[in-house]
Amino acid sequence: DAKTTQPPSMDCAEGRAANLPCNHSTISGNEYVYWYRQIHSQGPQYIIHGLKNNETNEMASLIITEDRKSSTLILPHATLRDTAVYYCIVRDRSNFGNEKLTFGTGTRLTIIP
Amino acid sequence: EAGVTQFPSHSVIEKGQTVTLRCDPISGHDNLYWYRRVMGKEIKFLLHFVKESKQDESGMPNNRFLAERTGGTYSTLKVQPAELEDSGVYFCASSPRDRTNYGYTFGSGTRLTVV
Repeated sequence: DAKTTQPPSMDCAEGRAANLPCNHSTISGNEYVYWYRQIHSQGPQYIIHGLKNNETNEMASLIITEDRKSSTLILPHATLRDTAVYYCIVRDRSNFGNEKLTFGTGTRLTIIP
Repeated sequence: EAGVTQFPSHSVIEKGQTVTLRCDPISGHDNLYWYRRVMGKEIKFLLHFVKESKQDESGMPNNRFLAERTGGTYSTLKVQPAELEDSGVYFCASSPRDRTNYGYTFGSGTRLTVV
């Protein structure tokens, strides 16, 4: 079972920042937070990941709370192409035998023109 | 670099027939994964190869599914005989062996319909 909780859907106006929350209250010290998204008819796409520090890349920013029990993915200037289902996943990278991702139901983000 | 390629993109077969899905990972990626989404459900892990060896096949639903990765390059996933509940989208993903490289790269999937 997925160890994360996300709202089922969200809307965001084009050009505005999209903030997608995720709760992972049972996260352990070895577990990272990963974000993927799935645009319709495509395979999931890696966005970003982090352990305890905030992270930023060319796609998004990831803000992880100090207690690590929740995080927020930020798309700074949402475009229509960001409409997708976004998945927050916790994964133990210290266990070299455990590579799998456990997907939940995700958040369906719709960007409104 | 070329991405993860999956063949065919769509397949419609009758119940009881055999279907083979193929995945070509990114060149040089030792890790190869199979996932699937059946109708209305979440994306589920099937198995993980490291080169030609099965590292984790805990997600394989039953013995009608056989995955191979001969020579550690491309992989095939055979379903024999196919059942109606096997319908869904099958995704393949790959990643380098170097664990400092972060995300998987997924293919676009094979949509399997069993009628």
